[in-house]
Amino acid sequence: GDSVTQMEGPVTLSEEAFLTINCTYTATGYPSLFWYVQYPGEGLQLLLKATKADDKGSNKGFEATYRKETTSFHLEKGSVQVSDSAVYFCASDGVNAGGTSYGKLTFGQGTILTVHP
Amino acid sequence: EAGVAQSPRYKIIEKRQSVAFWCNPISGHATLYWYQQILGQGPKLLIQFQNNGVVDDSQLPKDRFSAERLKGVDSTLKIQPAKLEDSAVYLCASSWDVGNTEAFFGQGTRLTVV
Repeated sequence: GDSVTQMEGPVTLSEEAFLTINCTYTATGYPSLFWYVQYPGEGLQLLLKATKADDKGSNKGFEATYRKETTSFHLEKGSVQVSDSAVYFCASDGVNAGGTSYGKLTFGQGTILTVHP
Repeated sequence: EAGVAQSPRYKIIEKRQSVAFWCNPISGHATLYWYQQILGQGPKLLIQFQNNGVVDDSQLPKDRFSAERLKGVDSTLKIQPAKLEDSAVYLCASSWDVGNTEAFFGQGTRLTVV
């Protein structure tokens, strides 16, 4: 079945440091890929997404590129802020043989990011 | 635009008791999902509705869990009887349609079974 694997956490960085959170997936077909973020005390929010190979999703300074050859969707940010402290989830959707999404999301285990001033 | 509403936010029950969670999706969203998020893990889909029909309930423990979405709007998820391993956050999400996977999540209900 489909699966998503994220790098082991937690991740602790100083403000303005470079961030990478690794994510790899296994799936039938070509799923869309997502990064969701969960700030303390809040629900999951969509951070960015990519729907096909070589697409780059971006939002709030975060970027991730859909790499079909390495089945990866790593999250990066050039300069993190204290306000980026949250839990980050990589996810993929299920698609049928015709490429139509089922809607169902498969999530990684989440990576806790803490940014210190 | 109002988001996905869930209640209660927190619930503590004893094992073998029953519990129900309620979800009101974003107005107009045809697809509704219930996910279970155990501490330290990512959310796992329990059930997916399209309007008031079930699309996927393959991971729902049907001996103790049930869910309904009457009239294709609000939904309830019930556990009866609860087990210790059901302690988790139960997340409701909705999207415009099954082919549109930009899902919007509620804040969740944190269930503790003691």
